[in-house]
Amino acid sequence: DIQMTQSPSSLSASVGDRVTIACRASQSVGSFLSWYQQKPGKAPNLLMYAASSLQTGVPSRFSGSGSGTDFILTISSLQPEDVASYYCLQSFSTPWTFGQGTEVEIK
Amino acid sequence: QVLLQESGPGLVKPSETLSLICTVSGGSIGSSYWSWIRQPPGKGLEWIAYMSYSGSPNYNPSLKSRVTTSVDTSKNQFSLKLSSVIAADTAVYYCVRHASTSSLGYWGRGTLVTVSS
Repeated sequence: DIQMTQSPSSLSASVGDRVTIACRASQSVGSFLSWYQQKPGKAPNLLMYAASSLQTGVPSRFSGSGSGTDFILTISSLQPEDVASYYCLQSFSTPWTFGQGTEVEIK
Repeated sequence: QVLLQESGPGLVKPSETLSLICTVSGGSIGSSYWSWIRQPPGKGLEWIAYMSYSGSPNYNPSLKSRVTTSVDTSKNQFSLKLSSVIAADTAVYYCVRHASTSSLGYWGRGTLVTVSS
């Protein structure tokens, strides 16, 4: 199985800050990497697909980069509504595997 | 807009079979791939399986011996059966429609299934 490791596990930042979340794969997943936002009590929501493509309807302050084994999700200017857990997912090979999640809070 | 709704018992006894149905509206079940994802309370996400109306399903090897899925195009539904459940199978179960790019585009609201006697 491909292991996905996210860092940090949690972070606290101020409104307007630039926030980055890293996701590392144990072997190359090409660009088969997507990012999800999950607010408390809600289902996850697709933010980014193919590592760097913004899903329709997602604010442009979200961006993704990377390929192979190292990926980054960036929130350019953190907003209060961005408080959530964020997960990466590799769909390069089965079993598809998620990172363990990153909790984002407002300082 | 595609909507997905999970349904099934919220409580299952240990050693019994968990059975869930996902009803799809706003789109044809024959037009995409579909997955089941689960999330134990307070924990992360786990991919269980994906399937389409044609072709063989693909199961997570960690659950493969206990999982069965099916697609019913006449009802626009797909289903999950997980046999011999244990307490560790307690989770919110989500049904999901894939986006075209091997990502999970449309999620149901999820249903909590508790395994307990």
